[in-house]
Amino acid sequence: NAGVTQTPKFQVLKTGQSMTLQCAQDMNHEYMSWYRQDPGMGLRLIHYSVGAGITDQGEVPNGYNVSRSTTEDFPLRLLSAAPSQTSVYFCASSTGKGAEQFFGPGTRLTVL
Amino acid sequence: AQRVTQPEKLLSVFKGAPVELKCNYSYSGSPELFWYVQYSRQRLQLLLRHISRESIKGFTADLNKGETSFHLKKPFAQEEDSAMYYCALMDSSYKLIFGSGTRLLVRP
Repeated sequence: NAGVTQTPKFQVLKTGQSMTLQCAQDMNHEYMSWYRQDPGMGLRLIHYSVGAGITDQGEVPNGYNVSRSTTEDFPLRLLSAAPSQTSVYFCASSTGKGAEQFFGPGTRLTVL
Repeated sequence: AQRVTQPEKLLSVFKGAPVELKCNYSYSGSPELFWYVQYSRQRLQLLLRHISRESIKGFTADLNKGETSFHLKKPFAQEEDSAMYYCALMDSSYKLIFGSGTRLLVRP
C-alpha cells in the first residue's frame, strides 16, 4: 500500500492563480481531511469528509473548496490564491471516529 | 471553545534526563486525546492515544480530567526522541484539533 499520497510536493503560485492539491489514499478509509501547518500555530483543519459525497468545513475553510467523488480521492482547490495561503498542507485519512489518522507527506505552497 | 494548548515551543534536555511535554485542553464533553509526532523528514504519525493506555517508545500520557491535562512523559530521553510533538483532541464531530506543537531537542 502507498498509504496517503499528495501531489505536488512543492508549488509556487502568483496571487490570484488557482490550483488543486491532490490527495489519494489506498486504504479504503472513509474519513479524509485537509490541514494547513503554519509556524507557531500547529495544524488547523480546513475541510474534512466522512465519506464519498460528504464534505464539511473545518476551522479555516475560507478560500478553499473540496469535493469527494470517490473514497480514494480528496482534492483541495484554491480558487484565487492569496499570500495568506502560503503554508504546508497535509492530507490525512482514517477509518473513522477515534481512529489513528494517517498523514501524507505534505505540499509546501508559496503564494507570491 | 475547544482548544489545545502546548505552552512550550521548545524543550531541550540532555540524554538520559526525564522529559515532560505539557498539554492542556478545553472541551465541554468527554475528550479523546492523542499525541502525534513528526520526526525530521518523516510524516506526522500517531504516538499514542489516551484510550489505549499504552506505552510507546517509552512514552506515556495520563489524562487528568481535573486539571484538563494530557502531559507526555518519558523517564529517560534518547537522542532519537528529538522531534516535533503535537497534542490533539478529537471532538464529537470527529474533528481533530491540534495544539501548536513542542519541539523536543535531546542533546548528547
